[in-house]
Amino acid sequence: GENVEQHPSTLSVQEGDSAVIKCTYSDSASNYFPWYKQELGKRPQLIIDIRSNVGEKKDQRIAVTLNKTAKHFSLHITETQPEDSAVYFCAAVNQGGKLIFGQGTELSVKP
Amino acid sequence: GAVVSQHPSRVICKSGTSVKIECRSLDFQATTMFWYRQFPKQSLMLMATSNEGSKATYEQGVEKDKFLINHASLTLSTLTVTSAHPEDSSFYICSARDPGTSIGNEQFFGPGTRLTVL
Repeated sequence: GENVEQHPSTLSVQEGDSAVIKCTYSDSASNYFPWYKQELGKRPQLIIDIRSNVGEKKDQRIAVTLNKTAKHFSLHITETQPEDSAVYFCAAVNQGGKLIFGQGTELSVKP
Repeated sequence: GAVVSQHPSRVICKSGTSVKIECRSLDFQATTMFWYRQFPKQSLMLMATSNEGSKATYEQGVEKDKFLINHASLTLSTLTVTSAHPEDSSFYICSARDPGTSIGNEQFFGPGTRLTVL
């Protein structure tokens, strides 16, 4: 089955700096890669996603890149703000439709 | 966007009792719903896939007799934790796919249910 590895587990940056979170997946048939932001006690919130036929996608301060050959994808947050502090999860969806999450990254943005 | 609700949001029960959690898609019909469990400071782990009108598909290591799933209609799936024990205390989250959207793979999450077993 699919396995998703996520690094780092914790990330601390200064306000205004960039943050990068990286994930790898094992199932080459996976074709959809969402990223979620989760605040304590809340549901995961989709922040950006990318499909296997696209290499890069950007939405304001957030961008995601996908390297299908290497089976890894990354989340880039620029100009970080304190309200970006949360736990971020990458995930992969295979052809069976199952959503498999990475281990999560606790991002802390210091003012 | 598609809205998924969950009830209750929080439940505290005694060890040995059963707890039912409901997951509803409010503005779309969901033939498939998913149930996840999340322990503190951990990731979401898929427990089972709930299929309307048929038996649920459980992930390896999840006891189907302990976590009963029923998906009797296109807008409702229920998860019953039978004979709950303290180790079942967790955050349970459901999700649903809206086949009517152009992005068929996107899953919409419920707000979660915090279960505490004393």
